[in-house]
Amino acid sequence: DSGVTQTPKHLITATGQRVTLRCSPRSGDLSVYWYQQSLDQGLQFLIQYYNGEERAKGNILERFSAQQFPDLHSELNLSSLELGDSALYFCASSVTPLTNQDTQYFGPGTRLTVL
Amino acid sequence: QQQVKQSPQSLIVQKGGIPIINCAYENTAFDYFPWYQQFPGKGPALLIAIRPDVSEKKEGRFTISFNKSAKQFSLHIMDSQPGDSATYFCAAAGGGADGLTFGKGTHLIIQP
Repeated sequence: DSGVTQTPKHLITATGQRVTLRCSPRSGDLSVYWYQQSLDQGLQFLIQYYNGEERAKGNILERFSAQQFPDLHSELNLSSLELGDSALYFCASSVTPLTNQDTQYFGPGTRLTVL
Repeated sequence: QQQVKQSPQSLIVQKGGIPIINCAYENTAFDYFPWYQQFPGKGPALLIAIRPDVSEKKEGRFTISFNKSAKQFSLHIMDSQPGDSATYFCAAAGGGADGLTFGKGTHLIIQP
């Protein structure tokens, strides 16, 4: 168990809908990362927050947004969902925001299915 | 575009054999190279990581070899066991505050 929690485990929704994925980082970790894992694209970095502020953006679509709250939990919002958004979404956390200095601990993921 | 290329896609090895997974990168700003192990239904977990100032790092049965001039690195699993069957991802980071750049993964099966 990495100490990172994600809810829900599974989510099934329809095209055009909006969903919110939630992540609680390990105790003491200030940095949160979101990744998308799909069969064709593999694991792709979406966005990073550090202590409530957006730190870095990766391949995140404009339909997607995220935020990190004062208690350090983070939410990933996916809107106008398309079939191709079906994937596993992972949250990871680390103490510092330095990707090349600090271990990232991954949560168990949320499996999103868009029908 | 930052990329990490990983091979092979899948690998079957007999118990006790030494599976080798290879990765190559393009961005010379990368200076941190972790390997992650993922079991079905779980998130990736850090296995071992290396920096370019060393050519080899061992942790238990897992060894990373690193060739800076060739921009390549590889994972070796000594005395492999059926419990090592998983998907392995190489990754890279550095040169900024972006997230990890992952390879496409290697599905490893260790046969008893």
